[in-house]
Amino acid sequence: DVKVTQSSRYLVKRTGEKVFLECVQDMDHENMFWYRQDPGLGLRLIYFSYDVKMKEKGDIPEGYSVSREKKERFSLILESASTNQTSMYLCASLTGDNTEAFFGQGTRLTVV
Amino acid sequence: AQSVTQPDIHITVSEGASLELRCNYSYGATPYLFWYVQSPGQGLQLLLKYFSGDTLVQGIKGFEAEFKRSQSSFNLRKPSVHWSDAAEYFCAVRPVHKLVFGAGTILRVKS
Repeated sequence: DVKVTQSSRYLVKRTGEKVFLECVQDMDHENMFWYRQDPGLGLRLIYFSYDVKMKEKGDIPEGYSVSREKKERFSLILESASTNQTSMYLCASLTGDNTEAFFGQGTRLTVV
Repeated sequence: AQSVTQPDIHITVSEGASLELRCNYSYGATPYLFWYVQSPGQGLQLLLKYFSGDTLVQGIKGFEAEFKRSQSSFNLRKPSVHWSDAAEYFCAVRPVHKLVFGAGTILRVKS
């Protein structure tokens, strides 16, 4: 089974902190994604990466950055956390033929 | 730009009743379409997908969906809903290297 693992299920951070959300997949997928999930808004794409050291902005990249130093790991960085970044964050990887995405369990981030 | 619309934010059905969740998409080329389900506290699980061929696709847990190009729709159906189907359902379209999701429909099942 494909596994996408997010390092934390719950995080509480203070405003202004730098926050790292980690995601690891074990199926050698090239494409990885970070989404943000908010009630009534569905999943919105923050960033995605189609190869090591490659990244593309999604629909809501402001206030975020990403890092992909190794194929299996895709990190989301909140440079200076703000309360409006309180949300559920979902990581996903996409199979090589782009036919199926696998999701992690999500990280519920609260910024206080 | 690609987009997905799920017109119903909440739907409540009785256990044993039939279900249809609506999904409309906007995409220029032949779409790859998906339905995902998210149970409370869980990640997203793929129910079914459509790429080409037969426009009626079968998925897991007794779900099916029908692709109608003329209506730009990909509605999800189930003939008899079980209490365990209560969850949030997301329709998605895949342009090239990413997935674009709808806002989701929350399904409540009453006994």
